[in-house]
Amino acid sequence: GAGVSQSPRYKVAKRGQDVALRCDPISGHVSLFWYQQALGQGPEFLTYFQNEAQLDKSGLPSDRFFAERPEGSVSTLKIQRTQQEDSAVYLCASSQLGEQFFGPGTRLTVL
Amino acid sequence: RKEVEQDPGPFNVPEGATVAFNCTYSNSASQSFFWYRQDCRKEPKLLMSVYSSGNEDGRFTAQLNRASQYISLLIRDSKLSDSATYLCVRNRDDKIIFGKGTRLHILP
Repeated sequence: GAGVSQSPRYKVAKRGQDVALRCDPISGHVSLFWYQQALGQGPEFLTYFQNEAQLDKSGLPSDRFFAERPEGSVSTLKIQRTQQEDSAVYLCASSQLGEQFFGPGTRLTVL
Repeated sequence: RKEVEQDPGPFNVPEGATVAFNCTYSNSASQSFFWYRQDCRKEPKLLMSVYSSGNEDGRFTAQLNRASQYISLLIRDSKLSDSATYLCVRNRDDKIIFGKGTRLHILP
């Protein structure tokens, strides 16, 4: 496809469960970003990759959050021991020359 | 002051009217700005970049005022389809900061 894709689109997890969210960026895009968007809020920056290098992870809220992009393309955001406050939409964006293109997001609900 | 601040609204505006909203920012370091639009339960999409010289795209005009540290978005002849949340975005060294967004409702 031409755009950024994310899977799953919806995820319901029990508190304490580990989850993995996948992002397929636009082919050839060097930069990849993860955001967390709570209801009624703007997206909050989590982490940023340039190719396979994670250049900024200052937005990750805790050490339960981990992101990787081992081959510089697909990225996975992993959340360990999920908590209710992790419930949000997780957006992935890839960019080339400044403009960011967002995926549809993964809506995570932690019960 | 937060890094990027916006009035959350909502702005309820009759169709055909002109509406404008601002976004203020802290930190005067060199950076670029954008307006994104986000429809309910959809992902954000780039509306336009913001330049000091002003940027116009059809009914939309964006402006950056570095002295007063704000950016603005003006929508003329508003349409029902303009109803959305408008997000102010700052990019500094690839550190992207979003505002919380301004909700706009265009009323028939």
